[in-house]
Amino acid sequence: DVKVTQSSRYLVKRTGEKVFLECVQDMDHENMFWYRQDPGLGLRLIYFSYDVKMKEKGDIPEGYSVSREKKERFSLILESASTNQTSMYLCASIPSGGGTEAFFGQGTRLTVV
Amino acid sequence: AQTVTQSQPEMSVQEAETVTLSCTYDTSESDYYLFWYKQPPSRQMILVIRQEAYKQQNATENRFSVNFQKAAKSFSLKISDSQLGDAAMYFCAYRSGANNLFFGTGTRLTVIP
Repeated sequence: DVKVTQSSRYLVKRTGEKVFLECVQDMDHENMFWYRQDPGLGLRLIYFSYDVKMKEKGDIPEGYSVSREKKERFSLILESASTNQTSMYLCASIPSGGGTEAFFGQGTRLTVV
Repeated sequence: AQTVTQSQPEMSVQEAETVTLSCTYDTSESDYYLFWYKQPPSRQMILVIRQEAYKQQNATENRFSVNFQKAAKSFSLKISDSQLGDAAMYFCAYRSGANNLFFGTGTRLTVIP
């Protein structure tokens, strides 16, 4: 059974903290994504990685960075958390080529206080 | 850049009736894939149906079918014989040839008993 696992389901952090959200997939997929989900705005792409150490900015990269040192793990980093980064974060992965659908983690609801 | 538009933030349907959710997209590519995902309150994204752009035939999965109009860049989802378990957020998604994945803003479907 394919799986994408996010390290936390709920997270509460203080303003200014450095926050790490981890995502691990066991399907050997080349492509991994971090999205932010807010009511009325859908899923907005933060960063996309198509290979180890490779990344591309999405639509809303400001305030975020990413790390992909191993193929199976894609980390989202909030360098200095702010209250406007309170949101649901979703990780996804897909293999390259073909029309396979994306596989998602269970989401991390992050609250910054 | 590709964009995906869902113009119906909320829809409702009587149990056992049929409902259609709308999605349009913008692209200059000829080869791509389209998806509908369901997100129930558990937050786990679930694939509902997939359509390859090169196929003229509309995809069907049990009670779910699509109306894919490539020239009009339209991809609507029809749910027949609606059930209470169909209540969820529904997202339309576009997968590009470069393996990127774009989502619409979602439609919240309510099923009325």
